[in-house]
Amino acid sequence: AAGVIQSPRHLIKEKRETATLKCYPIPRHDTVYWYQQGPGQDPQFLISFYEKMQSDKGSIPDRFSAQQFSDYHSELNMSSLELGDSALYFCASSSRTSGGYTQYFGPGTRLTVL
Amino acid sequence: AQKITQTQPGMFVQEKEAVTLDCTYDTSDPSYGLFWYKQPSSGEMIFLIYQGSYDQQNATEGRYSLNFQKARKSANLVISASQLGDSAMYFCAMREFGGGADGLTFGKGTHLIIQP
Repeated sequence: AAGVIQSPRHLIKEKRETATLKCYPIPRHDTVYWYQQGPGQDPQFLISFYEKMQSDKGSIPDRFSAQQFSDYHSELNMSSLELGDSALYFCASSSRTSGGYTQYFGPGTRLTVL
Repeated sequence: AQKITQTQPGMFVQEKEAVTLDCTYDTSDPSYGLFWYKQPSSGEMIFLIYQGSYDQQNATEGRYSLNFQKARKSANLVISASQLGDSAMYFCAMREFGGGADGLTFGKGTHLIIQP
């Protein structure tokens, strides 16, 4: 079965640079979620989109923005990167329209800020 | 206050034994869902099992079952006949449906090590 696709899988950036993470949800899933997992931490919810509209917002820094496109893929844009942004970033998807509550996670993008 | 509490930071279990991973939660929302995820050392987050607050029966998925005790606000994961491949970090998570929130709130996790 198709899974959530995230790219790139690894990313190394310098402080103050920008980064864009991409997420392709499971086919026919309409909701996308972004999470940040710091080293040795549990995942923290950042933001979600349903049918291309922002659905919920968690602890996403103002330096970060995200959107969902017409083909349902999503991008997380991160600017003025800080050392503390080094983390594993997960995208997850679900099918709200068909009543699916389970969020299926992608493999994650490991971001290292130097 | 912690919404999800996992009191076992680490556990060592002999292969083929059953394992119970503890999870307690705190919510005033009558409508919520409880999830367990497995995170191997490779980093991916694998969905294991889901229990809705209104579900009458405890959820089961293969070797995984969820011991849901609503009055005690606990949702323990039981893994029967553990295997070496079960060694991983296990996270309990909750989503509250009443306020329209989307995000999962995770516990701190339990690091399970299966010994041969």
